[in-house]
Amino acid sequence: SQTIHQWPATLVQPVGSPLSLECTVEGTSNPNLYWYRQAAGRGLQLLFYSIGIGQISSEVPQNLSASRPQDRQFILSSKKLLLSDSGFYLCAWSLGGAGNSPLHFGNGTRLTVT
Amino acid sequence: RKEVEQDPGPFNVPEGATVAFNCTYSNSASQSFFWYRQDCRKEPKLLMSVYSSGNEDGRFTAQLNRASQYISLLIRDSKLSDSATYLCVVISGGSNYKLTFGKGTLLTVNP
Repeated sequence: SQTIHQWPATLVQPVGSPLSLECTVEGTSNPNLYWYRQAAGRGLQLLFYSIGIGQISSEVPQNLSASRPQDRQFILSSKKLLLSDSGFYLCAWSLGGAGNSPLHFGNGTRLTVT
Repeated sequence: RKEVEQDPGPFNVPEGATVAFNCTYSNSASQSFFWYRQDCRKEPKLLMSVYSSGNEDGRFTAQLNRASQYISLLIRDSKLSDSATYLCVVISGGSNYKLTFGKGTLLTVNP
């Protein structure tokens, strides 16, 4: 069966510090991978998605970036965090090549920028 | 018009009640639809897919109305454990890889 691991679970970072969140998927090959953010009391915002190694699509302009160095690894980064980057970050996967498949989420990272 | 719209609620119902949520979508070419459940401070979890002919899973029934461009979720015999936020999700025809989430409907089932 497929599993998704996301870490850390919580993170407190000062403004201006860098960020690196990692997500890995097991039990499937060539998954579609996603990063979402959910601000307090708000809906899910798609940040990035990837349908293959090295392929990243960005949905919103921001100071975040994503990379997919391996088939089942997805990394969210920032060089300098802003207060507005606080939120609940969720990594997710769906079946590769099956565009209509649902997402399966990791446990999320709750980021507080102070 | 937003791509996916839901009544944010909150819906407060007693145990045993039947409650229904609707979700409207703007893109008539939308192809796939899902309902997710999100507990407070947790990740969303897939509740059920929504099929054209409608589908049922225990106390939960999902339906799709393509003509009016909405999906619905019916919960019968509500339990305390059904308290959560329910998110509808639409995959639009423009990009099969991009799922659009509604903002969710908060349900509280009271004893």
